[in-house]
Amino acid sequence: AQKITQTQPGMFVQEKEAVTLDCTYDTSDQSYGLFWYKQPSSGEMIFLIYQGSYDEQNATEGRYSLNFQKARKSANLVISASQLGDSAMYFCAMREGFQGAQKLVFGQGTRLTINP
Amino acid sequence: EAQVTQNPRYLITVTGKKLTVTCSQNMNHEYMSWYRQDPGLGLRQIYYSMNVEVTDKGDVPEGYKVSRKEKRNFPLILESPSPNQTSLYFCASSLSRNSGANVLTFGAGSRLTVL
Repeated sequence: AQKITQTQPGMFVQEKEAVTLDCTYDTSDQSYGLFWYKQPSSGEMIFLIYQGSYDEQNATEGRYSLNFQKARKSANLVISASQLGDSAMYFCAMREGFQGAQKLVFGQGTRLTINP
Repeated sequence: EAQVTQNPRYLITVTGKKLTVTCSQNMNHEYMSWYRQDPGLGLRQIYYSMNVEVTDKGDVPEGYKVSRKEKRNFPLILESPSPNQTSLYFCASSLSRNSGANVLTFGAGSRLTVL
């Protein structure tokens, strides 16, 4: 079974609009972490934001926020006031447990295109 | 600058010709890992290492070998590459303290084509 599911293969958004990228996850662990990475066309993986399973507040980093709904097992990324430079592939990832191997399991990715 | 460095960035090779992709990090990270990225599949872990001389298989280890003789280096070896190993490869590293917040830092990626 997929541990991380990103149901939107592609999204097209007008510049300056807010955009929500969906991510649902599957785990039986109580301790886990959720990450979002951005991959621009140049190919590198850029860390955007982290949410821990015990964090009560939704994580925010500048224009990025993570809408964490633990009961629904969703961790959607919200980008406010989108910019042309936000066009990229976005990956949601999960780390199960806080000890031992620091393995991340990734979703399939969502390709976001910002139109001027 | 704190970084993970992979080489080569691009490589075209032929079936069966052994190759090594090098990976080096300058952040004194204990944990290092290799991933491959294929369209529609996201990133999948190949091998990982918790520390020097400690390595273990990830989800897709077949056809690959690794070694960790020094803390900073974690090369990926393809003994006999095949076309199904054509992919984009990422090396990554992080601290391994007991915390979910350890951020995995990625190299720039190595695009490998096996003919």
